[in-house]
Amino acid sequence: GAGVSQSPSNKVTEKGKDVELRCDPISGHTALYWYRQSLGQGLEFLIYFQGNSAPDKSGLPSDRFSAERTGGSVSTLTIQRTQQEDSAVYLCASSLEQIGSETQYFGPGTRLLVL
Amino acid sequence: SQKIEQNSEALNIQEGKTATLTCNYTNYSPAYLQWYRQDPGRGPVFLLLIRENEKEKRKERLKVTFDTTLKQSLFHITASQPADSATYLCALVLAFSGGYNKLIFGAGTRLAVHP
Repeated sequence: GAGVSQSPSNKVTEKGKDVELRCDPISGHTALYWYRQSLGQGLEFLIYFQGNSAPDKSGLPSDRFSAERTGGSVSTLTIQRTQQEDSAVYLCASSLEQIGSETQYFGPGTRLLVL
Repeated sequence: SQKIEQNSEALNIQEGKTATLTCNYTNYSPAYLQWYRQDPGRGPVFLLLIRENEKEKRKERLKVTFDTTLKQSLFHITASQPADSATYLCALVLAFSGGYNKLIFGAGTRLAVHP
C-alpha cells in the first residue's frame, strides 16, 4: 500500500518568500506529525495533529510557521517570510493512533533551501 | 537540562562483527524507547520499540536493551552486513497528561560496515 508522501521533494526559495509543504499520510492514520531535521541534528518536533483534537503546536519555532490538516487527512506546513536558518529537511510522519506503542511511518521529506 | 545523546562519530566495523550503538539520556522518564534507521535522502524507518519495564527486545539480528537506572539503551546488530550501513536514531517516547505522547529524537549515529 502507499506510504506517507510529501511534496515537493526539493524546494529552493529566496529569503522572504512564503513556502507551502504538503504531506499525504497513510489512509486511516489519525495522528500526523511534522519534524524538521537540520544537517547533523536530530529530528526537531514541530507540530502534532490527532484526530479532531486541537493540534499541539508547541514545537513551532516562530509565528512564521503554521500548519493545518484538512478533513483529517492531508496536511500543509506553511513558512512565511522564509529565513536562511529555515533551510532543513522537513519530515512528515503518521501513525494509526497516537505514538507510543504505535509505529510512526515517515515520508521521504522535503528539502528546503532558502537562499 | 534534558538531553538525549548518541555518539556523533561514525562507527566503522568489519562485516560479520557485532555493531553496538549507544543512546544516553538525562532528565527524561520515557515510557518507551524506539530505534529507527535512516538512509541518506530518506525518512527514518521504525525498527524496534522497547517499553520501560522491558530489559531486552530482539528482532532477527537486532537486539535492544533498555536500562532505566543508567538511562541508557544499547542497540546491537549481530553478523553485520554492508547493507546495514546507515544512520541509526534513538527516540524517547514521553507520555504527557491529556493522553498524548511525544517523541524526542537523538541526532543519530552513522554506522559503516566494511566488507
